[in-house]
Formats: sequence, structure tokens, C-alpha cells
Amino acid sequence: DAGVIQSPRHEVTEMGQEVTLRCKPISGHNSLFWYRQTMMRGLELLIYFNNNVPIDDSGMPEDRFSAKMPNASFSTLKIQPSEPRDSAVYFCASSPDRALTDTQYFGPGTRLTVL
Amino acid sequence: DQQVKQNSPSLSVQEGRISILNCDYTNSMFDYFLWYKKYPAEGPTFLISISSIKDKNEDGRFTVFLNKSAKHLSLHIVPSQPGDSAVYFCAALTGGATNKLIFGTGTLLAVQP
Repeated sequence: DAGVIQSPRHEVTEMGQEVTLRCKPISGHNSLFWYRQTMMRGLELLIYFNNNVPIDDSGMPEDRFSAKMPNASFSTLKIQPSEPRDSAVYFCASSPDRALTDTQYFGPGTRLTVL
Repeated sequence: DQQVKQNSPSLSVQEGRISILNCDYTNSMFDYFLWYKKYPAEGPTFLISISSIKDKNEDGRFTVFLNKSAKHLSLHIVPSQPGDSAVYFCAALTGGATNKLIFGTGTLLAVQP
């Protein structure tokens, strides 16, 4: 199994530009999570989906952030317009079980730098 | 407001000695806790977990202790090895309708040869 796949691995963009991060979860997993990692706040959950439906988006910082999961094998996180404070590592994770007593499997992350 | 806190950003330990990583939480409703390990340029990977019905769970060199009255858990690694050098995240499962993991800020462990 290839694990959770994220692209791009690194993204450098200028303030005001649109950024799209992509994620392919592990096949058969029905829950998908987007996290942001910063030094100050650690790993923060932004949004999660179960069976392609958003369940909790309370962690999405503001309207500039949006996420979609059009099918079971693909999700995107979009930031429009991007700002320097959005610079962070963004992780996607998937889980086979919404109960989450199972573990989440993380992708390698996308390091985003907004200049 | 951090509901899961790791107050030590870093820890340095000699190879062969014990590493103790600490984690505090604020919500007494949390009933399942996990530790994740993260190497540079990789995503976190699951290490060990504990349910609130237990006060200890052991897996090889790794043991997690839970003190519910103090809302505190700790991860013990013994003996520590250089390959254990990584960032360790503590996480709590919220339960309820929007069951999700709340992570701490992480502790960077450096095991010196």
C-alpha cells in the first residue's frame, strides 16, 4: 500500500495567490483529515470528512480556507487568497474507522511558504 | 486555548537511559489517548495508546501511564536509543458526535549516543 499521498511536497507562493493542496487517502479508508502544524500550536485539525461528507470544519481558520472531497480517493484544501501567516506544514490523514480507536495514517505533508 | 499541553518543547537524554515525555489535558471527558512519533520531513506515525479504563499500557520499550485524577499522561521509553530521536505528539480523543483527535504541541526528543 502506498500510504496517504500528498502533493505538492513543497509550495512557495506570493501573498494573495491561490494555493491548492491535494491528498489521496489510503484505499478503503472512509475518514479523511486535514491538519496544520505550526511551532506555536502544534497539530491543529482543520476539517474532517467521513464517507466524503464534511463532519467537522470548526478548525478552518477563516473563509479563505475551503476543502472538498469529491470522491473517496481525492481531497483538496484550498487557500484563497493566501497570506504569510498561512505558512505551515499541512498534513492529510486517513482512517479506516470513524470511531478513531484505530489510528490515523498521515501523509508526508506539504510545506507551504507564503511570501 | 490548548486542551492538550506538552510543556516541554525539548528533551535530551543519553542513550540507554530512560526518556520521560509528559502531557497534560484539561477536559475530563477525554477517554482515549494516543502518542504519535514524527521524524523530519515525514508525517506522524502512531506509537501507542491508552484507554481511560487503564492506567498503564506497555509495548516493548514504550510504556504510557495515565493519571486521570491529575489529567496527566506520560510516555516512558527505556532504554532510549538514538533512533528514538523525533518529535513526540500526545493526542486525546474527544468522543461524542464529532469524535476527533486533539494534539499537543509536541516534544522534541534527542537521544545522545
